[in-house]
Amino acid sequence: GQNIDQPTEMTATEGAIVQINCTYQTSGFNGLFWYQQHAGEAPTFLSYNVLDGLEEKGRFSSFLSRSKGYSYLLLKELQMKDSASYLCAVPAGGSYKLIFGSGTRLLVRP
Amino acid sequence: DARVTQTPRHKVTEMGQEVTMRCQPILGHNTVFWYRQTMMQGLELLAYFRNRAPLDDSGMPKDRFSAEMPDATLATLKIQPSEPRDSAVYFCASGLAGGSGEAFFGQGTRLTVV
Repeated sequence: GQNIDQPTEMTATEGAIVQINCTYQTSGFNGLFWYQQHAGEAPTFLSYNVLDGLEEKGRFSSFLSRSKGYSYLLLKELQMKDSASYLCAVPAGGSYKLIFGSGTRLLVRP
Repeated sequence: DARVTQTPRHKVTEMGQEVTMRCQPILGHNTVFWYRQTMMQGLELLAYFRNRAPLDDSGMPKDRFSAEMPDATLATLKIQPSEPRDSAVYFCASGLAGGSGEAFFGQGTRLTVV
C-alpha cells in the first residue's frame, strides 16, 4: 500500500528559505513528484525525482533519498506568490497511478 | 496550447439527480486520472485509465459512480444518484505512461449537491 506524510501547515517570511518534507512508503518505487496548488486552482507540476540527490530548478529544488523514503522541497527567496499548498506524490506500486499526500499549506508573510 | 479541458467548471444539483462530468485529455496522452478533492480528504484517486482501459477504480464508490472513456478524446465521470457528500472539486488529469509519468491537471469541476 501507499503511505505519504507531509506537515499540514508551514509559515515563512518573504525572502527566506523554507524546506517542506515528505516521507513515503511504497512498493516498487517509480519516482516522486512535487506539485504546487494555489487556492481554487488545479495542481501544477514542480519537480520529479527518480534518483537520489538534489534537483535544482531556479528558486525551487527537490531532494530524494530512496533508502530513507524521504524527499524535501526547498523554496528559496520566498515570494508572496509562493503561498500555496505543496503536494508530494508517488506512483503506486511502480505503476503510473499517481497517489498524493495531503499537502502542506505554506503561508508566506511579509 | 495543450491543456486538459473539463466541463462544466461549476455544477449545482439537487440530491438524487444524475451528474456527468467530462474531460478532454491532452492529445497523445495515454493515461487519464479522475481525482476528487475536499478539505478533509485531500486529493483522492477515483479512477485510472491507460489506453482507454480502466486499470484501477478501487477508489470509486461503485454503487453510484462510473467512469468511462468512449474514445481517446473524452473521459466521463458520472454520479447517479448524487448525494450531498459528493460535493467536492473533481479533477481530471492526463499523462504519458513511459515518460516521467507527470500528470497534467484540468481546472476541475466544482460540484455542489444540495
